[in-house]
Amino acid sequence: TQTVSQSDAHVTVFEGDSVELRCNYSYGGSIYLSWYIQHHGRGLQFLLKYYSGNPVVQGVNGFEAEFSKSDSSFHLRKASVHWSDSAVYFCAASTTNTGKLTFGDGTVLTVKP
Amino acid sequence: DAGVTQTPRHEVAEKGQTIILKCEPVSGHNDLFWYRQTKIQGLELLSYFRSKSLMEDGGAFKDRFKAEMLNSSFSTLKIQPTEPKDSAVYLCASSKQGTEVFFGKGTRLTVV
Repeated sequence: TQTVSQSDAHVTVFEGDSVELRCNYSYGGSIYLSWYIQHHGRGLQFLLKYYSGNPVVQGVNGFEAEFSKSDSSFHLRKASVHWSDSAVYFCAASTTNTGKLTFGDGTVLTVKP
Repeated sequence: DAGVTQTPRHEVAEKGQTIILKCEPVSGHNDLFWYRQTKIQGLELLSYFRSKSLMEDGGAFKDRFKAEMLNSSFSTLKIQPTEPKDSAVYLCASSKQGTEVFFGKGTRLTVV
């Protein structure tokens, strides 16, 4: 059984700052890792996914994530955040290439003007 | 192209009632998922269908929860009987195997 942990429950930054949201996973085999964003009162929206190849994955709206097998991590980054990036971010893992996902607890990102 | 549609968006039920939540997946998607979202438990998988066949029915939820997919464009989640601890947001999601997963906006259920 895989587990996903997001160590930061809340992250607050200012508009224009860079941000990194942390995600660590626990699983011994092949794993698909993804990030989703959830704005208040909305469903989840896909940001990006990694399975193999280049460990740095580009996603929508300037987000990227880097996979590290040695650290069992898949951290999400953005170079310059906008107020509209304020939302809850979920890291997710799957052992199959499906939507059967194990989610982390989420990180609330607040971007201040 | 329409995304995943869930109805109703909000539901209030009395303890012991039966409620049915509805979901229309994205046209052409063959995988459909029901998740439950709460502040305490986070996101939990309830059911997973592939091409209308039930692939997984979350163990902890088998008792009073029943998901069905009578055709490829419609799924229901029945909770019978409801209990206050069922209060949560229920999310439906769909995907074409191996591709991006699309989530609906969810149904917020309050059981009083």
